[in-house]
Amino acid sequence: DAKTTQPPSMDCAEGRAANLPCNHSTISGNEYVYWYRQIHSQGPQYIIHGLKNNETNEMASLIITEDRKSSTLILPHATLRDTAVYYCIVRASTYNNNDMRFGAGTRLTVKP
Amino acid sequence: GAVVSQHPSRVICKSGTSVKIECRSLDFQATTMFWYRQFPKKSLMLMATSNEGSKATYEQGVEKDKFLINHASLTLSTLTVTSAHPEDSSFYICSARDSGRGYGYTFGSGTRLTVV
Repeated sequence: DAKTTQPPSMDCAEGRAANLPCNHSTISGNEYVYWYRQIHSQGPQYIIHGLKNNETNEMASLIITEDRKSSTLILPHATLRDTAVYYCIVRASTYNNNDMRFGAGTRLTVKP
Repeated sequence: GAVVSQHPSRVICKSGTSVKIECRSLDFQATTMFWYRQFPKKSLMLMATSNEGSKATYEQGVEKDKFLINHASLTLSTLTVTSAHPEDSSFYICSARDSGRGYGYTFGSGTRLTVV
């Protein structure tokens, strides 16, 4: 069962902010929202994760709605190297060995 | 930190032969590793969970006799594709969790398998 819904593709102009949405309306109270990205022919790369508070790191910001049913990943100044498939994943807890399952993701194309 | 090394990055083999792919956690120990398969323009599909010192757990529809998984140490898991056929050609990716970092999983760089 798909736990997340993302648009299949998005474009963004280089230097502008890229806002990638994710719907997770059936998220449980103990499930975190993770974001990974996969650049062509490479393994997925961790970006950020959060439970209910907004999070920011050197790569991106994660905005989670108050009801936690959706979130947005923000790349503040997109570059051509940010072109990738971005995956939003919900998963219970950070401290267990449960698997991580991927949906279809959003293919972000950053254009010059 | 939290580096997962996967080898080889690319392999071509003849139909009917077997191929072994290695996944190593370089700077941490991983009691659990995961193997994924990815077809062109598709998402990653979980194949199996590799547990150190015990049998792997396979996802429904994945043939355990064809995709042999061995997790003999806390830093190494191997996936052997036995009697490979052209339809096994795919991108295989492993991942592992560093229990010292609570944020999820680190992925290997993947292995591109082509069966001719």
